[in-house]
Amino acid sequence: GENVEQHPSTLSVQEGDSAVIKCTYSDSASNYFPWYKQELGKGPQLIIDIRSNVGEKKDQRIAVTLNKTAKHFSLHITETQPEDSAVYFCAASENTDKLIFGTGTRLQVFP
Amino acid sequence: SAVISQKPSRDICQRGTSLTIQCQVDSQVTMMFWYRQQPGQSLTLIATANQGSEATYESGFVIDKFPISRPNLTFSTLTVSNMSPEDSSIYLCSVVPANTGELFFGEGSRLTVL
Repeated sequence: GENVEQHPSTLSVQEGDSAVIKCTYSDSASNYFPWYKQELGKGPQLIIDIRSNVGEKKDQRIAVTLNKTAKHFSLHITETQPEDSAVYFCAASENTDKLIFGTGTRLQVFP
Repeated sequence: SAVISQKPSRDICQRGTSLTIQCQVDSQVTMMFWYRQQPGQSLTLIATANQGSEATYESGFVIDKFPISRPNLTFSTLTVSNMSPEDSSIYLCSVVPANTGELFFGEGSRLTVL
């Protein structure tokens, strides 16, 4: 079955700097890769996703890149702000159902 | 997206009791799932809630412990049976709204078992 590894587990950046979170997956059949942001006491919020027919996708300060050959994908947050502080999860699956999640990255943005 | 309401949002329960969590969605969805998030951990799929039929459970989860109902397209319940402290977790309802192909989560039900 699918296995998703996520790094780093914690990440601290200064406000205005960029943050990068990386994930690798094992199942070559996976073709859907979403990212979720979970703030304290809340459910995970979908922030961006990418499918295997696309190499990069951007939404304002957030971008995701996918390398299917190497089986890894990354989340890039530019111009970080304190409100970006949260736990971020990557996930992978062949379809939208049965998402396999990474272990999470706790991002802290210091003013 | 969809508005997903879960009840209760949190509860403290005694060992050996059972608790039923409800999930209501404001629009029709193609798929509904239940996830568990143990303290400080990632999300693990418990089961797919199938409308009008038995849920499909993932490895490590069984119907006797986590009975699930889905009587219609917008409502589902998850029961955590005969609870022990190891069941202390956040239980999350998630849905794929029609025509989106994306998975959305409710706010979760935070369960503490003493």
